[in-house]
Amino acid sequence: DGGITQSPKYLFRKEGQNVTLSCEQNLNHDAMYWYRQDPGQGLRLIYYSQIVNDFQKGDIAEGYSVSREKKESFPLTVTSAQKNPTAFYLCASSPGLVGLQETQYFGPGTRLLVL
Amino acid sequence: KNEVEQSPQNLTAQEGEFITINCSYSVGISALHWLQQHPGGGIVSLFMLSSGKKKHGRLIATINIQEKHSSLHITASHPRDSAVYICAVTGSARQLTFGSGTQLTVLP
Repeated sequence: DGGITQSPKYLFRKEGQNVTLSCEQNLNHDAMYWYRQDPGQGLRLIYYSQIVNDFQKGDIAEGYSVSREKKESFPLTVTSAQKNPTAFYLCASSPGLVGLQETQYFGPGTRLLVL
Repeated sequence: KNEVEQSPQNLTAQEGEFITINCSYSVGISALHWLQQHPGGGIVSLFMLSSGKKKHGRLIATINIQEKHSSLHITASHPRDSAVYICAVTGSARQLTFGSGTQLTVLP
């Protein structure tokens, strides 16, 4: 079945530690996105990528990094510089950029907790 | 002021009731999306619309571009409709801006 997978479902981070969240899609989509969701708030865009080897900062990129070495994969690293990383992280993809009125397809999410 | 406002924040209904969730936005948009987030966290896109009305099963979405307002209606609601419903808009930045969601609980 085509879709988006995220792993792990739950992730625990110690102080000062970098952690990487995985996102894989087999939908052959060009565009991929990372969002952060906090209780009572709307999703906020962290990074997005239109094509391989290219990515752009979203509204809250500080403390995060990404790579797009393969079309199917868009991993997100939460660095130690992110002082409040506890949140629910959602990965999404779309055939083209959302500005072209594309529907986004979401993964199941990863919940990150700080120990 | 948030660019996308949803109301109500929480809604409890009895099975079979007609439900309306509202979304207002303050920016020019090219499209508006309605999304459903299940209790486990996964999100599904329900509708994308730029004008008029769309219907899928018991769900109906409408948009009034002049008034910058959209509604999501659920007819003959069922407990399995219980979820968070999220409104999002595609603005000039060609990115999605999300509302904070409406938590719907349908009681049997």
